[in-house]
Amino acid sequence: AQRVTQPEKLLSVFKGAPVELKCNYSYSGSPELFWYVQYSRQRLQLLLRHISRESIKGFTADLNKGETSFHLKKPFAQEEDSAMYYCALSEPTSNTGKLIFGQGTTLQVKP
Amino acid sequence: DVKVTQSSRYLVKRTGEKVFLECVQDMDHENMFWYRQDPGLGLRLIYFSYDVKMKEKGDIPEGYSVSREKKERFSLILESASTNQTSMYLCASSFWDRYREQFFGPGTRLTVL
Repeated sequence: AQRVTQPEKLLSVFKGAPVELKCNYSYSGSPELFWYVQYSRQRLQLLLRHISRESIKGFTADLNKGETSFHLKKPFAQEEDSAMYYCALSEPTSNTGKLIFGQGTTLQVKP
Repeated sequence: DVKVTQSSRYLVKRTGEKVFLECVQDMDHENMFWYRQDPGLGLRLIYFSYDVKMKEKGDIPEGYSVSREKKERFSLILESASTNQTSMYLCASSFWDRYREQFFGPGTRLTVL
């Protein structure tokens, strides 16, 4: 079965430090992957998606099919990046838009 | 701007009560979803609907049912609430397409005493 794993529950860094939030998935075909973010007291929202190859708020994510990973990176963390981050895989066996979410990683950026 | 609204932000119910959570979206999305959000477990899909009156079970459907009589409205029903259903419930909607973004509601924090 398809699976998304985020190995870190909590990642704590200082402002200005690089950030890497890890995401590994299990699927052998062509996955479609997303990162969602939930800031304090806000609703969950899309941060970026693999297909768009975009950089949002300085974050990027590269799909590594060999390592089955889609890690989220930012070179210099800001305090406003503190949030819960979820990696998600679009279920490839159907075209319905169902997502499989990871367990989530809380990013804490200290001043 | 997509709007997904949920009927309550906070709800407190007693064990055995029947509980209704409502979700409404205004973007003519085909898909609607109900998730539970628990610390350390991420988001788990309870039920999914891809059209009016159509539904599919998600990963954790036990103890829940759903209703979608109109395209814009998706209801989650706890037939007989139990304490282990205390959680944050998130509704989402999207177009029918695996590349499309899901839009989330603000969530309902349900406490079952």
